[in-house]
Amino acid sequence: SQQGEEDPQALSIQEGENATMNCSYKTSINNLQWYRQNSGRGLVHLILIRSNEREKHSGRLRVTLDTSKKSSSLLITASRAADTASYFCATDDQAGTALIFGKGTTLSVSS
Amino acid sequence: GAVVSQHPSWVICKSGTSVKIECRSLDFQATTMFWYRQFPKQSLMLMATSNEGSKATYEQGVEKDKFLINHASLTLSTLTVTSAHPEDSSFYICSVQGRSETQYFGPGTRLLVL
Repeated sequence: SQQGEEDPQALSIQEGENATMNCSYKTSINNLQWYRQNSGRGLVHLILIRSNEREKHSGRLRVTLDTSKKSSSLLITASRAADTASYFCATDDQAGTALIFGKGTTLSVSS
Repeated sequence: GAVVSQHPSWVICKSGTSVKIECRSLDFQATTMFWYRQFPKQSLMLMATSNEGSKATYEQGVEKDKFLINHASLTLSTLTVTSAHPEDSSFYICSVQGRSETQYFGPGTRLLVL
């Protein structure tokens, strides 16, 4: 089963612009993770934010988590063409092991 | 983090045949591995949790007799799609849970059943 929705489903921006993707989930979580998937490839782990954290940074990535709203956002600043990919949020399942993925946002960055 | 490989990276088979996909944890002993399936333009759906030395745990709606999982060692889990049909055509991805909560994914196997 899937946790929830991500929006937008697709996002097209120019290089240098910022990209914001949102993720909502349904159940209580221990942590939330963001992954990137280039077309037809495996997933690359970007960042993990725990339920007791509100914001986390990693390079050009900024993730926020609002557990009261059951939502998270991923901000990519100063985007590059190489950031073109699908981005998924994932939360742990009730057993705290497997991941439940959102539907993903397809980001296209044009130069 | 853990390095995970999958073999083959892609496979084409005839309807009715069986296909085995291997998932290897190259630098980490994984007692638990996960198998996901991803249809085109869709998200990943968990199929089953593979436990070393014991039976896999399947998600609701996933036929355990059709998708056979064997986790015989701490570095290898296999998924066998038995009597494959065109609707089984998909992208199959395995993952390994590292020491933290982070999961490390293999590069995936694309299956096309004709």
